[in-house]
Amino acid sequence: SQQGEEDPQALSIQEGENATMNCSYKTSINNLQWYRQNSGRGLVHLILIRSNEREKHSGRLRVTLDTSKKSSSLLITASRAADTASYFCAMLGGFKTIFGAGTRLFVKA
Amino acid sequence: DVKVTQSSRYLVKRTGEKVFLECVQDMDHENMFWYRQDPGLGLRLIYFSYDVKMKEKGDIPEGYSVSREKKERFSLILESASTNQTSMYLCASSFSGTGKYEQYFGPGTRLTVT
Repeated sequence: SQQGEEDPQALSIQEGENATMNCSYKTSINNLQWYRQNSGRGLVHLILIRSNEREKHSGRLRVTLDTSKKSSSLLITASRAADTASYFCAMLGGFKTIFGAGTRLFVKA
Repeated sequence: DVKVTQSSRYLVKRTGEKVFLECVQDMDHENMFWYRQDPGLGLRLIYFSYDVKMKEKGDIPEGYSVSREKKERFSLILESASTNQTSMYLCASSFSGTGKYEQYFGPGTRLTVT
């Protein structure tokens, strides 16, 4: 299966701390995306990193991609209570996008 | 602002019923997708469509069918609902073409089959 695996499954931090989530995948990809899902809602696209990129920033988000290790990480700096959500990596290889199982982030105020 | 809407947020159906889940997008997207989301399993692709009247099976199409008669509308059909189809169903859409990979999601339909 090309499904991604995310680590950790759940993460609990204090407001102001940084949160790091990791994603590993099995086959070649064209790009990797990160999505956020608030409880019981649809997913919202956060950031996309292409297979020829190593790092990308967007506001408080930093994404890295290591194609040799088939892994990516999402860093959220200076977390806020409003960042509490589930975060999913999604790999595009060929025509289909494959989603990981997600990391549940809890940010305590 | 892209909007993807789904016909119901919550739905309760009985085993054996035929169930229709509707999805409409307003951004003229070519691609549309149906996923189901279960705890610990992430999103699994049921069917997708890259054009009107076109459909492709995803990873778990068994027990489902789809219809896309108009570009903006993609329907998921459970021919005979079963309890193992109790899940959150998410619809998404996206543009075709190089560089346009972002998928836009609807709010989801939580289906319970009793």
